[in-house]
Amino acid sequence: SQQGEEDPQALSIQEGENATMNCSYKTSINNLQWYRQNSGRGLVHLILIRSNEREKHSGRLRVTLDTSKKSSSLLITASRAADTASYFCATDEDSSYKLIFGSGTRLLVRP
Amino acid sequence: DGGITQSPKYLFRKEGQNVTLSCEQNLNHDAMYWYRQDPGQGLRLIYYSQIVNDFQKGDIAEGYSVSREKKESFPLTVTSAQKNPTAFYLCASSIEPQPQHFGDGTRLSIL
Repeated sequence: SQQGEEDPQALSIQEGENATMNCSYKTSINNLQWYRQNSGRGLVHLILIRSNEREKHSGRLRVTLDTSKKSSSLLITASRAADTASYFCATDEDSSYKLIFGSGTRLLVRP
Repeated sequence: DGGITQSPKYLFRKEGQNVTLSCEQNLNHDAMYWYRQDPGQGLRLIYYSQIVNDFQKGDIAEGYSVSREKKESFPLTVTSAQKNPTAFYLCASSIEPQPQHFGDGTRLSIL
């Protein structure tokens, strides 16, 4: 079952620009997470936002959560070539141990 | 350094064979997970284990089996019953349900 769905599927920007990715989900959640995956590698956890939070920051990352619209956004400011990767949102189900991942946004940052 | 080790990085299987993917962690995490990732897709949960000697099916458990005899180890067997086993397999662990820490994956191909 797919819960989180990312938009856009692919994004190409110039170094220094901001990148915004969106995620929508279908049912109620306890938290939503964003992960990054470099090509051929495992996922790296970026940030977790709980259902009672609206915004969270971590370095150049800003995540918002709108539970009324069942959506979240990830903003990467002042992007770098090293930010080139796929970004996935993931939501939890009742058990909390079962993460449901979206299909990801492929970000390309051109030097 | 603490982390999750998946081996081998590449694995080839003949049709009709079972094959076992290794996942070891030295993070002292109680929970471990196996995911499958197909090209351009998000991750789907195969099995997860919250504690030693206990595990639960995820969304796509058919054709797979696991064991959890030690806290550090959670091997995944892809059986001949799995009709389309070619994929990228990712193992993860967590101290609480979230966030999850991932290994660098095993790419399985059918000869």
